[in-house]
Amino acid sequence: DGGITQSPKYLFRKEGQNVTLSCEQNLNHDAMYWYRQDPGQGLRLIYYSQIVNDFQKGDIAEGYSVSREKKESFPLTVTSAQKNPTAFYLCASSLWDRGRDGYTFGSGTRLTVV
Amino acid sequence: QKEVEQDPGPLSVPEGAIVSLNCTYSNSAFQYFMWYRQYSRKGPELLMYTYSSGNKEDGRFTAQVDKSSKYISLFIRDSQPSDSATYLCAMRKGSARQLTFGSGTQLTVLP
Repeated sequence: DGGITQSPKYLFRKEGQNVTLSCEQNLNHDAMYWYRQDPGQGLRLIYYSQIVNDFQKGDIAEGYSVSREKKESFPLTVTSAQKNPTAFYLCASSLWDRGRDGYTFGSGTRLTVV
Repeated sequence: QKEVEQDPGPLSVPEGAIVSLNCTYSNSAFQYFMWYRQYSRKGPELLMYTYSSGNKEDGRFTAQVDKSSKYISLFIRDSQPSDSATYLCAMRKGSARQLTFGSGTQLTVLP
């Protein structure tokens, strides 16, 4: 079955560490997205990518980095510069020219700073 | 001020009730409107997609868009305990593919 796989499900980070969240899709979608979800704030866009080797900053990109070396993969690195990284991170994908199909989301990664 | 406002609830209703969930938005550039359902500790799933003003029905769900008032609604008829989830409105502008989400409304349907 096609879908988006995020790993790990839970992740713990020490102060000053960089951590990388994995996102893989087998839907043959062009576009991929990373959102952060905090209680009471909905989903906020971190980065998105329309095609391989190209990505754009979203509303809250500071302290995060991404790469898009393959169509199927869009990993997110939470750097030590992100001062409040504890959140639920959601990866999504879509067909770029079929906006009415909406997004397909992964099951999320819950990151906690310890 | 947020571009999309959504009452966070929580909202509790008895089984069988009609549920009304709402969002308002401030930017008239939003043209496409969606409702997502998110169960606890899961990713959101697309429920409804609408473009034009008016109503769109799918089973027990009806999405309503009023572009003149910048107001969208989701109605759930004959609500079931399995409808208990957080409901997120989302919208996008023109040719953009990025979505702007509301903060979500937490719904509990009591058996």
